[in-house]
Amino acid sequence: GEQVEQRPPHLSVREGDSAVITCTYTDPNSYYFFWYKQEPGASLQLLMKVFSSTEINEGQGFTVLLNKKDKRLSLNLTAAHPGDSAAYFCAVSSLANYGNEKITFGAGTKLTIKP
Amino acid sequence: VTLLEQNPRWRLVPRGQAVNLRCILKNSQYPWMSWYQQDLQKQLQWLFTLRSPGDKEVKSLPGADYLATRVTDTELRLQVANMSQGRTLYCTCRGDWGVYAEQFFGPGTRLTVL
Repeated sequence: GEQVEQRPPHLSVREGDSAVITCTYTDPNSYYFFWYKQEPGASLQLLMKVFSSTEINEGQGFTVLLNKKDKRLSLNLTAAHPGDSAAYFCAVSSLANYGNEKITFGAGTKLTIKP
Repeated sequence: VTLLEQNPRWRLVPRGQAVNLRCILKNSQYPWMSWYQQDLQKQLQWLFTLRSPGDKEVKSLPGADYLATRVTDTELRLQVANMSQGRTLYCTCRGDWGVYAEQFFGPGTRLTVL
């Protein structure tokens, strides 16, 4: 089955610096990719989704890059601010039966922004 | 807009006692409902995905036994038994395809073992 490896497990950067979190996956049939943010004590919030083979999506203060050739998904936070301190999870969904896909999550990265 | 409601939001569970959780779907465009557990180390694990009323599954994992039931098109239940360590259970919903393929998480139910 699908295996998703997320790195690093912990990341600490100074306010204003960038931060990069990377996931690699194994199933070449994986088709949908997601990043979630989980603030302390809260549920998971969908940050971004990507579907295309190689895609760069930009959100508010972050960029997501998908490289299907290398089976690599990355989240790049630019100019980190204290509100970015949270756990981040990647998720990978394989193109299996219509609708009934199992989504595999990475182990998470705890990001801390230092003043 | 809230897609999912979960209750209770937290519960103290005496060791050996079972607890019943409910999840209510607010938007029928996301009919695939699932349960995930998140352990105290924040590791997420998929438990079940149930699509149709009447669907039922059981699973035993380290630290808890689970029974999930899709009661109606809008209600998903989970019974947690023999829990030895605390955890948070999240209900999720997802659409069939395309723009509805993303998965949304409910607020979660936090369980603590007494």
